Formats: sequence, structure tokens, C-alpha cells
Amino acid sequence: GENVEQHPSTLSVQEGDSAVIKCTYSDSASNYFPWYKQELGKRPQLIIDIRSNVGEKKDQRIAVTLNKTAKHFSLHITETQPEDSAVYFCAASRGSGTYKYIFGTGTRLKVLA
Amino acid sequence: DGGITQSPKYLFRKEGQNVTLSCEQNLNHDAMYWYRQDPGQGLRLIYYSQIVNDFQKGDIAEGYSVSREKKESFPLTVTSAQKNPTAFYLCASSTGQLGEGYTFGSGTRLTVV
Repeated sequence: GENVEQHPSTLSVQEGDSAVIKCTYSDSASNYFPWYKQELGKRPQLIIDIRSNVGEKKDQRIAVTLNKTAKHFSLHITETQPEDSAVYFCAASRGSGTYKYIFGTGTRLKVLA
Repeated sequence: DGGITQSPKYLFRKEGQNVTLSCEQNLNHDAMYWYRQDPGQGLRLIYYSQIVNDFQKGDIAEGYSVSREKKESFPLTVTSAQKNPTAFYLCASSTGQLGEGYTFGSGTRLTVV
């Protein structure tokens, strides 16, 4: 069935270092890939997204890359700060439809001061 | 507060009881969703609705029911048939258009006592 695998499940980095979270999806028709950040006790917030016709997208310190052939996409956070500590979820649209997303299992990122 | 409100924040259910979780949005979004969040399992889709008076089962609909009588409201009932209801429940909405991520509510934590 459709699924999204996300790795690693936990990630600790020193403040100022980079963090990379990787996701692999199974449905070749998926065409939209959002990333959400969930701070402790709060709602998930959309931080960046990418469509299947784009290979890379940047927004200040965060970037997402997409490899359609390999069916994987990654979140890159540079110059990490303590406030980046949170759980990050990747997601992929189900087929080419827009209504439903499949979420990865989440990555808990800890930025050590 | 983000335009989508879930209540209550915490809910306790006795064995054999049905409980209803509220989700209201003022974003004029057509699509609404219910997800269940368990540790290590990411977000799993329970039910979704693309339009008023219509809804569809997600991946884990057994033991749950929903209604969509108004565009703004998408309540979720956790019935006694749901054998393991203790979880964090997230409601979300979207325009349903390509490239539009979800807006999440702040969640309801349900505990069986």
C-alpha cells in the first residue's frame, strides 16, 4: 500500500550545525510534498513544501530537495538554533489528488546549545 | 488562533462510552480531516470530508464516526467500538487545491480511564 518512510526517528545536532531528514514515498503519482514542524504540545505547522515539477526549494535556513526518480525527498536545516528543536513530519499527496496526505512517522530533532 | 479550533483540549472517557470531539474552522475551507497521532506512528487518517454532507473513511475509520452538516464543523465521535482510543486527535482543514497544505487545530488528547 501507499506509505512514507522517514529517517532518522531522532536526530541530535550541535547548535550551528546542519540537520538532514530524509523521506521515501511509494506512490509514483504523488505530486505534492509538505513538511510540518510540531513543537511540544502544539499543533503541526507547515514550514515548507515542494511540488513534483521542482527539484529544490529554499526558504532562508530551510530547504527541501526532491528526487522523483528515486522517490525520495529531504529536509535540510542549516545553522540550526535551539528553537529548531521539534518533531518534523514529511508527507506526500496520495496519487495526484490533493485532499489526502500520507505522513511519515516523524523525526525528533534536538539542537544542543 | 489559526482559524481552526478543537475542543476540548483534554478528554477522559470511561469504558463503553461514546465521546465527541469538536472541530470548527472559519477559514472557509472546503476540506476537513481527522488524524490520530500515536507515538512512533506519525499521523494516521481517520475520516475526511471534501464538501458539506459528504465524508469518506480514511485508513483507520473503525470505531469512529463523523458528520459534516455545516462547512465550518466536522465533529468526530469515538464510539465504544474503538478498542484503543487513547491518543492525540488532530483536526485539519484545507482548500483542497494543489499546493495547499493543511491548517491544523491544536488537538484533543483523549484518555480512557
